[in-house]
Amino acid sequence: EPEVTQTPSHQVTQMGQEVILRCVPISNHLYFYWYRQILGQKVEFLVSFYNNEISEKSEIFDDQFSVERPDGSNFTLKIRSTKLEDSAMYFCASARPSGFYNEQFFGPGTRLTVL
Amino acid sequence: AQSVTQPDIHITVSEGASLELRCNYSYGATPYLFWYVQSPGQGLQLLLKYFSGDTLVQGIKGFEAEFKRSQSSFNLRKPSVHWSDAAEYFCAVGAQTSYDKVIFGPGTSLSVIP
Repeated sequence: EPEVTQTPSHQVTQMGQEVILRCVPISNHLYFYWYRQILGQKVEFLVSFYNNEISEKSEIFDDQFSVERPDGSNFTLKIRSTKLEDSAMYFCASARPSGFYNEQFFGPGTRLTVL
Repeated sequence: AQSVTQPDIHITVSEGASLELRCNYSYGATPYLFWYVQSPGQGLQLLLKYFSGDTLVQGIKGFEAEFKRSQSSFNLRKPSVHWSDAAEYFCAVGAQTSYDKVIFGPGTSLSVIP
């Protein structure tokens, strides 16, 4: 069964450094999302992406964040200058196009630790 | 605005006992509802989902959930809990537009005692 994959599974970085989290969505999916989960808290929406542009973003998704689909298969989340509070699990999700609700399929997550 | 509440932060049950995890949602139209389970340090696994039709939905691992529109609830149940069910459980709601986000509840942590 096709699945969403994410790399790396765990990323450790120093505060102020740039990080790129990578996701490979399911191949025929056209809607892409990033969510994050701070340890012990609920999963929060960051951004949705469709047709090579951001569809919606949350208040969390400020100028330090950007997303890109560089090559038609990967979907990346970049954090330009990481802060301690960016430490979290980041989940990628994708959904296929249909006339009905597009169920989102989640990847296994990347745990980001900012020191 | 859409929201999801899970009144129980933590529940402890004995192995073999029945389980019910509560979920209430706020949404203006017919919601799409989900239950996810997360083991420590792991990703999200979809247990079951409700889009339309029969209000009692069956999921994986012996779980079921019932959608009650009048109560704005989507409670998760299991008749007999196994020790391996200990995990964090998240109720979530999705909207009707094709690319809309999923809103998660705060989660209920389940402990199972032998």
